[in-house]
Amino acid sequence: DADVTQTPRNRITKTGKRIMLECSQTKGHDRMYWYRQDPGLGLRLIYYSFDVKDINKGEISDGYSVSRQAQAKFSLSLESAIPNQTALYFCATSDPKQGKNIQYFGAGTRLSVL
Amino acid sequence: GQQVMQIPQYQHVQEGEDFTTYCNSSTTLSNIQWYKQRPGGHPVFLIQLVKSGEVKKQKRLTFQFGEAKKNSSLHITATQTTDVGTYFCAENSGGSNYKLTFGKGTLLTVNP
Repeated sequence: DADVTQTPRNRITKTGKRIMLECSQTKGHDRMYWYRQDPGLGLRLIYYSFDVKDINKGEISDGYSVSRQAQAKFSLSLESAIPNQTALYFCATSDPKQGKNIQYFGAGTRLSVL
Repeated sequence: GQQVMQIPQYQHVQEGEDFTTYCNSSTTLSNIQWYKQRPGGHPVFLIQLVKSGEVKKQKRLTFQFGEAKKNSSLHITATQTTDVGTYFCAENSGGSNYKLTFGKGTLLTVNP
């Protein structure tokens, strides 16, 4: 089983709809991240969380919100989806005790907003 | 935030040829990481470089960190079709070691 699980894997939605992407992990890591990947733009950080009570904006947080429901769960919401939010979304975790801040990624959610 | 520029954006090689991707920063980096993303897959950590002038090898892959810690490279010797994918460098932003800023990646394709 995957250590970092994202659901759904694929989603098609319409402009204006609210949508939630979910991420759960069994690695026991405190830190969790949401990234967005667009062709030619690499991975851009949307939000990150160091523990259940900590939420931080990343590089491109506008139009997104997050919830850290538990150490193992970190969800990303699009309150009112728009077409330019069509992208591949990755959740990741890391363990500061490793000293390297290695990111462990989920398989991704491909989102299309029509 | 701090940015790393990665070049080239694309590279197509014949199987057996060498490949190199470069990351450059205008400021000194505390450390740099490299990730590989296979087509349709997710990024997977390859290595972290910390020391000035550091060189690390993983089989046919050689990673270097510049003496000034402002640039890094990944070199693949004698590419194979299994090397296909996008290679990303990433640096820890703000000296906090808390989050990474990724380069835009180099997509490598290999013609068998």
